[in-house]
Amino acid sequence: QVQLVESGGGVVQMGGSLKLSCAASGFTLSSYAMHWVRQAPGKGLEWVAFIRFDGGYKYYTDSVKGRFAISRDNSKNTLFLQMNSLRPEDTAVYYCAKDRADDYGDLIDYWGQGTLVTVSS
Amino acid sequence: QSVLTQPPSASGTPGQRVTISCSGSSSNIGSNYVYWYQQLPGTAPKLLIYRNNQRPSGVPDRFSGSKSGTSASLAISGLRSEDEADYYCATWDDSLSSVVFGGGTKLTVL
Repeated sequence: QVQLVESGGGVVQMGGSLKLSCAASGFTLSSYAMHWVRQAPGKGLEWVAFIRFDGGYKYYTDSVKGRFAISRDNSKNTLFLQMNSLRPEDTAVYYCAKDRADDYGDLIDYWGQGTLVTVSS
Repeated sequence: QSVLTQPPSASGTPGQRVTISCSGSSSNIGSNYVYWYQQLPGTAPKLLIYRNNQRPSGVPDRFSGSKSGTSASLAISGLRSEDEADYYCATWDDSLSSVVFGGGTKLTVL
């Protein structure tokens, strides 16, 4: 069965950096696009980033462009999110999520359990 | 302010049918697939409906989705207490080159 396990969350000061990882199992990571989605405490879901199956295309929500970078290592079945210049408004649970397809057009069919990132001011 | 508009709340009694709407525009719902997710309290979201009206295996047929023009809706029939959750619609937006979510609808089973 599909499993997505996030790690790397924690407390960081404003302006700091964190790198999230997502270990994928139960499917062939190299065949699917992947996403990061976040949820601030008590708020709704906010999409953060997308990466095509081969890493060839990446898209980001405007508020993280230039600060966050999504990447993948298909040989290690792992998805990453490098987060720099963190702001208090980046505080959220970050979910790793699998797409139904290899490219743009479809959306998420499986979600990880999430990892909490807290940015202190 | 979300790109997709959902009512913040909905409610019904056990056995009733409830509908949750999701309104967008030609650049998102009007030209892309709509997905629906259910988020039970304290848990990760779960896929309910994909490609406008398709149910993944394991999702009861009490849940159904539809799309017309720039709007979509999720219907839940035979409402049960375990359906109490937050529901989100989502799709791609071609103008923004991003995925967009609705603000979420909190469903209460009275």
